[in-house]
Amino acid sequence: GAVVSQHPSWVICKSGTSVKIECRSLDFQATTMFWYRQFPKQSLMLMATSNEGSKATYEQGVEKDKFLINHASLTLSTLTVTSAHPEDSSFYICSARDWREVYEQYFGPGTRLTVT
Amino acid sequence: AQSVTQPDIHITVSEGASLELRCNYSYGATPYLFWYVQSPGQGLQLLLKYFSGDTLVQGIKGFEAEFKRSQSSFNLRKPSVHWSDAAEYFCAVGASTGNQFYFGTGTSLTVIP
Repeated sequence: GAVVSQHPSWVICKSGTSVKIECRSLDFQATTMFWYRQFPKQSLMLMATSNEGSKATYEQGVEKDKFLINHASLTLSTLTVTSAHPEDSSFYICSARDWREVYEQYFGPGTRLTVT
Repeated sequence: AQSVTQPDIHITVSEGASLELRCNYSYGATPYLFWYVQSPGQGLQLLLKYFSGDTLVQGIKGFEAEFKRSQSSFNLRKPSVHWSDAAEYFCAVGASTGNQFYFGTGTSLTVIP
């Protein structure tokens, strides 16, 4: 089945530093990947949509200069949280859409980011 | 506007009892509907999905869901709950272009022995 991995699964960083999260589709090519943010006890909030080889589309209210998304290949998208602050602490989940399947997304296991 | 409503924030059931989690959606076109389960600190696992055809769909772990267009609902059911079913459950509707998923706020399930 379609598998999406994320790395790291958890990360702790100091305020002001940057952290990169990787999202990989392991057994399929993903023309589109999505990044979600989830606060404790809350639902998933779509942050941005990235298409391979083009700029990401950010949802309203998401700072594109703070959350840098790169989708350089059909199997890898990265989210870089720049100049992280404690309020950026959250659970980040990516998903990927197989280019052959239009209506479904496959979700990664998530990355827990803690900014101290 | 598209939206998904899960009216029950938290449900507690006894092990072995039946379960129904409610999901109502608002979507202007043909909906593509999903139920996911999330254990603490984990990602989402797909339980089942509905795209078209038979309105009663079977999923993994003994779950099923029924699509009722007239009620704009896609309720999740399980005849006999196991302690391992305790988790957070999310209903989602996908856009026809596949570019957007709308998630409900989730229902937290507690199973008591």
